[in-house]
Amino acid sequence: QVQLVESGGGVVQPGGSLRLSCAASGFIFRNYGMHWVRQAPGKGLEWLTLISYDGTNKFYGDSVKGRFTISRDNSKNTLYLQMNSLRGEDTAVYYCAKDVDRGLDYWGQGTLVTVSS
Amino acid sequence: QSALTQPASVSGSPGQSLTISCTGSSSDVGGYNYVSWYQQYSGKAPKLMIYEVSNRPSGVSNRFSGSKSGNTASLTISGLQAEDEANYYCSSYTTSSTVVFGGGTKLTVL
Repeated sequence: QVQLVESGGGVVQPGGSLRLSCAASGFIFRNYGMHWVRQAPGKGLEWLTLISYDGTNKFYGDSVKGRFTISRDNSKNTLYLQMNSLRGEDTAVYYCAKDVDRGLDYWGQGTLVTVSS
Repeated sequence: QSALTQPASVSGSPGQSLTISCTGSSSDVGGYNYVSWYQQYSGKAPKLMIYEVSNRPSGVSNRFSGSKSGNTASLTISGLQAEDEANYYCSSYTTSSTVVFGGGTKLTVL
């Protein structure tokens, strides 16, 4: 069965950096685009970024463009999110999700990122 | 990219049918048949309920259906059950090759 497991969350100071990972299994990872989505405490879902199946195309939401970078390693079935210049408003649960025609059909359990001094 | 517009809350009694709307623009909902709907229970990851406007993933009850007219997509839940009480989100592909979510709708079963 499809499994997505995020890791790398934690507490980071404002201005700091963090790299999230998403380990995928149960499907042919290299064949699918992948997304990152976040959810601030008590708030709705916010789409962040999408990477194509082969990593050649990357798209970002306005709130993270220039600060966050999505990447993937198809040899390791792993998706990444490098987050720089973190702000308090980046505090959220971060989910990775598998793409199906620009829908997100499988989601990880999420990893919490807290930006605080 | 502005979030899609959903009602903040809807409610219905068991057995009733209920529709949640999701309004965007010609740059997203109206421009593509890539509208999806998600169900999310508190503290849990979202679950895909509908994709490509009206397609149901395997395992999703046929009480859930989706449609679209112009810039507005809709999720209809028929035969409302207590277990349907959750938050629902729509999403759409956009002309910027990005994805945008709606603000979410809290469904209460009375």
